[in-house]
Amino acid sequence: GENVEQHPSTLSVQEGDSAVIKCTYSDSASNYFPWYKQELGKGPQLIIDIRSNVGEKKDQRIAVTLNKTAKHFSLHITETQPEDSAVYFCAASKGTGANSKLTFGKGITLSVRP
Amino acid sequence: NAGVTQTPKFQVLKTGQSMTLQCAQDMNHEYMSWYRQDPGMGLRLIHYSVGAGITDQGEVPNGYNVSRSTTEDFPLRLLSAAPSQTSVYFCASSDRGLNEKLFFGSGTQLSVL
Repeated sequence: GENVEQHPSTLSVQEGDSAVIKCTYSDSASNYFPWYKQELGKGPQLIIDIRSNVGEKKDQRIAVTLNKTAKHFSLHITETQPEDSAVYFCAASKGTGANSKLTFGKGITLSVRP
Repeated sequence: NAGVTQTPKFQVLKTGQSMTLQCAQDMNHEYMSWYRQDPGMGLRLIHYSVGAGITDQGEVPNGYNVSRSTTEDFPLRLLSAAPSQTSVYFCASSDRGLNEKLFFGSGTQLSVL
């Protein structure tokens, strides 16, 4: 089955700097890659997603890039703010049907230092 | 619009007890799922439903039951709680499928002693 890995497990950046969080996946048939943000005491929230036919997607301060050849995708956060501090989960799924299931990575804790 | 509502937020059980975690959504989503979150393990799929009356097993279904009698509700039942079921449980719903645009509840933190 699919295996999604995130490294490192924690990341600390200075407010205003950029943060890059990387994920690798194992199944070359995977074609959908979302990122979820989980704040303390809350459920995960979708922040951005990308399909395998697109190399990059942006939404204000966040962007996701996909390298299908290397089987990795990255979340980029620019001009980080303290409210960006959270656990970030990447995930992957394959197939085109609605029954396709997600495989999540273990999560990365991002800390933004004021 | 409340989204996905989970109750209770916290629960402590003794080994062997049973209980039901409640999940309700008011977005008329067809797809609902239950995940558990353990430290260093990410989110793992327990059970899912693609519509009222239709449920199936996910990655870690043992010790859990589900039913989907209405579009809105998707309760998760622990039949005989075990310490290995100590975890944070999240319910999610979507109108796009089991993998896309998931809306998560705020979770239930369960401890089994």
